[in-house]
Amino acid sequence: DQQVKQNSPSLSVQEGRISILNCDYTNSMFDYFLWYKKYPAEGPTFLISISSIKDKNEDGRFTVFLNKSAKHLSLHIVPSQPGDSAVYFCAASEVGGSNYKLTFGKGTLLTVNP
Amino acid sequence: KAGVTQTPRYLIKTRGQQVTLSCSPISGHRSVSWYQQTPGQGLQFLFEYFSETQRNKGNFPGRFSGRQFSNSRSEMNVSTLELGDSALYLCASSLARGQPQHFGDGTRLSIL
Repeated sequence: DQQVKQNSPSLSVQEGRISILNCDYTNSMFDYFLWYKKYPAEGPTFLISISSIKDKNEDGRFTVFLNKSAKHLSLHIVPSQPGDSAVYFCAASEVGGSNYKLTFGKGTLLTVNP
Repeated sequence: KAGVTQTPRYLIKTRGQQVTLSCSPISGHRSVSWYQQTPGQGLQFLFEYFSETQRNKGNFPGRFSGRQFSNSRSEMNVSTLELGDSALYLCASSLARGQPQHFGDGTRLSIL
C-alpha cells in the first residue's frame, strides 16, 4: 500500500519557467511534509517542509502548497534553472504518533532545459 | 558545518556474510534514522534511534539491526546477507521529530 504517491515519473520544463511537482497521500495522520532533491550518487538534499497547520511555505524560489482536504501537496520552483535538474522526492510523517518515520514517494525526475 | 557522514561509501560482500555500516550525524543531532533505497521499492524506513534507544522499526527482517552510541553515532548491521540486500543504505539525522532529516550520501552495498 503506497501511502505517498508521485504520479508523474518525469517532468521537463524550459529554463526560466515554473516547475510544478505533485504529490498525493492517503494517510490522514500525516502532519509534516517535506521535499527532497537527489542527484545521482548523492544522498537526498532537504529543500523545504510544511506542517499540516499551514497551507503554504516559501523559501526563495521554492514554494510548497498543502491541500489537506484533497490530501495533496505540490512544490513550485520559480524560475526553474538547469541546476534544478534532479529527482525530487515527496515525504510525509506523523510527528505526533508512535510510528514516526519518513514515508517517501517514488520520485519525479525533473529536467530543466536551457 | 559538517553534514552526515557515512562509511564506507561502497562495499562488496558475498551471500551469507555480515556487514556493519557506520553513520556520524550532524553535530547536535540526536535522532538518527536509516533507510534502504532500491530501484523497485524506493526509499524505505529501517529504524530510528534517539538517545541510544530504538524508537521505531520498519518492516524488515531481524537480520537488520542497529544501535546508537552515547555520542549519537550509529551503526547498522545486516547478518546472513542475501542477494536482495543489495541497495543504497542511507542515514539521516535531525534535531528532533518535526524537524527536517538531513541525509548522508549513503553506503552502496553490493552482494555477489
